[in-house]
Amino acid sequence: EPEVTQTPSHQVTQMGQEVILRCVPISNHLYFYWYRQILGQKVEFLVSFYNNEISEKSEIFDDQFSVERPDGSNFTLKIRSTKLEDSAMYFCASSRGSYNEQFFGPGTRLTVL
Amino acid sequence: AQSVTQPDIHITVSEGASLELRCNYSYGATPYLFWYVQSPGQGLQLLLKYFSGDTLVQGIKGFEAEFKRSQSSFNLRKPSVHWSDAAEYFCAVGGTGGSYIPTFGRGTSLIVHP
Repeated sequence: EPEVTQTPSHQVTQMGQEVILRCVPISNHLYFYWYRQILGQKVEFLVSFYNNEISEKSEIFDDQFSVERPDGSNFTLKIRSTKLEDSAMYFCASSRGSYNEQFFGPGTRLTVL
Repeated sequence: AQSVTQPDIHITVSEGASLELRCNYSYGATPYLFWYVQSPGQGLQLLLKYFSGDTLVQGIKGFEAEFKRSQSSFNLRKPSVHWSDAAEYFCAVGGTGGSYIPTFGRGTSLIVHP
């Protein structure tokens, strides 16, 4: 069964460093998403991406964040200069259409020291 | 703005017992409602969803949920819990401005005793 994969499973970085979180969505899906979950808190929507551009983003998704689909299979989230409060689990998801079920990856745990 | 409340942080049940996880939402119109499950080390998996129609929704793994507009609730139920059901359960609501993007509750951790 096709699934969304994410790498790495755990990323540790120093404050101020750039990180890139990688996702491989399901191959015939057209919509891609990033969510994050700070420990003990809710899963929060960050951004959705369709047709090579951002279709929706939340207040959390500020200028420090960017997303890219560099090739036909990967979908990345870049945090330009990490802060302590960026420490969280980051989930990637994909769906066939905007009103179809979203399939989530297992997440990348980001720890900013 | 839409919001979701899951009043129970932890629920403990014995294997074989029935289960009900509570979810209340705040949204002016008829919402899209979802329940997701997250097993340790796994991503979120959709259990079931409600868009319209029959207010009793059947999902995977023997789960069901009932949409009650008068109570703004969408509680998740299972008649007999299995040890493998131990996981984190998230209720979510979508539909603001036509957006499907779900707003999640804080989650309820289900512990199953043998």
